[in-house]
Amino acid sequence: DSGVTQTPKHLITATGQRVTLRCSPRSGDLSVYWYQQSLDQGLQFLIQYYNGEERAKGNILERFSAQQFPDLHSELNLSSLELGDSALYFCASSMPLGLSSGNTIYFGEGSWLTVV
Amino acid sequence: AQSVSQHNHHVILSEAASLELGCNYSYGGTVNLFWYVQYPGQHLQLLLKYFSGDPLVKGIKGFEAEFIKSKFSFNLRKPSVQWSDTAEYFCAVIPAWGTDKLIFGTGTRLQVFP
Repeated sequence: DSGVTQTPKHLITATGQRVTLRCSPRSGDLSVYWYQQSLDQGLQFLIQYYNGEERAKGNILERFSAQQFPDLHSELNLSSLELGDSALYFCASSMPLGLSSGNTIYFGEGSWLTVV
Repeated sequence: AQSVSQHNHHVILSEAASLELGCNYSYGGTVNLFWYVQYPGQHLQLLLKYFSGDPLVKGIKGFEAEFIKSKFSFNLRKPSVQWSDTAEYFCAVIPAWGTDKLIFGTGTRLQVFP
């Protein structure tokens, strides 16, 4: 158990719909990261938050958005869903100062999203 | 484009065979390097990491990796694999000059047969 909690574990929804994935980081971790893992794209970095503020942005679509709340949990919102959005969405967290200081990033078990 | 390459997409070995998985990156300057493992149905777990110092890094479960700066490589090795090592292995890089964005390779699926 990494200490990073993600809900829901599995989600099936229809095209055009909107879903919210939730992540609780490890106790004390201020940074939260979102990654998308799909068969054709591999592991893609989506976005990072640090203590409530967006810190880095990756290959995140405009239909997707995220935020980190004062209690440090984070939510990834996916809207106008398409079949190609079906993937495993990982959340990860790390200690303050992030990875460049030598800290480790810990991953949650992921949320499986299937768009039908 | 800056990237992380894992050239072995699928490796099949028998138990007790030696393992070497290749990882090359194209970022210049200082980098932080990682190997993660994903067992079937599980989350990504850190095997080992390199930030500085001895380029030969030892990780968990008997894995090690060697950072060769001149070759932009960070290959993962294990002298004798076990059936329980069957998993997907990901190399990842953080360019230390940038943010804490962990860039992953495409992964290598390892199957170990008894």
